[in-house]
Amino acid sequence: QKEVEQNSGPLSVPEGAIASLNCTYSDRGSQSFFWYRQYSGKSPELIMSIYSNGDKEDGRFTAQLNKASQYVSLLIRDSQPSDSATYLCAVNSPDDKIIFGKGTRLHILP
Amino acid sequence: SAVISQKPSRDICQRGTSLTIQCQVDSQVTMMFWYRQQPGQSLTLIATANQGSEATYESGFVIDKFPISRPNLTFSTLTVSNMSPEDSSIYLCSVLRASYEQYFGPGTRLTVT
Repeated sequence: QKEVEQNSGPLSVPEGAIASLNCTYSDRGSQSFFWYRQYSGKSPELIMSIYSNGDKEDGRFTAQLNKASQYVSLLIRDSQPSDSATYLCAVNSPDDKIIFGKGTRLHILP
Repeated sequence: SAVISQKPSRDICQRGTSLTIQCQVDSQVTMMFWYRQQPGQSLTLIATANQGSEATYESGFVIDKFPISRPNLTFSTLTVSNMSPEDSSIYLCSVLRASYEQYFGPGTRLTVT
């Protein structure tokens, strides 16, 4: 059973600080990794994709991938109250499907 | 990305009835998916909607309960049949783009009374 694991949280971070979200996955064959943001009552929104080891930066967001450790993380710099949401880690499976983690609730404290 | 619309955005239905949810994409896509998300829970894949062939259902979901149509590369429907209160959920369609990126529609919030 292929799995994606995340800490459910809530993770509380002061405004302006760095929020660090972590995810592990079980399938060593996975090649594509994603972070989605989901506001309460809304559908998931793709915010980051990463396909190779290392860091990928997009604005205040940095995704980090370590395939040897089967570990993906998302860093949010200068956290804002508008970043408060549930963040879903997702990993591709060989049949073109995406396996989602259960999500981490992030709460940015004003 | 993709522009995806769903109809209806929400509905309240009586037990035993059926509801058909529509999903429209602004461009042709090969793969479309239907998910369910119950309150406070993560996403559960119901089925993959294949154009020109029957949908592929995940374990625990059957065609009689969740019939799916995919008449072309921009449109799909999901029907929730013979509804019970346990079917109350948000139903989401998504499309697969390049590099395995999936994009979601806005969702349909279904309440069964």
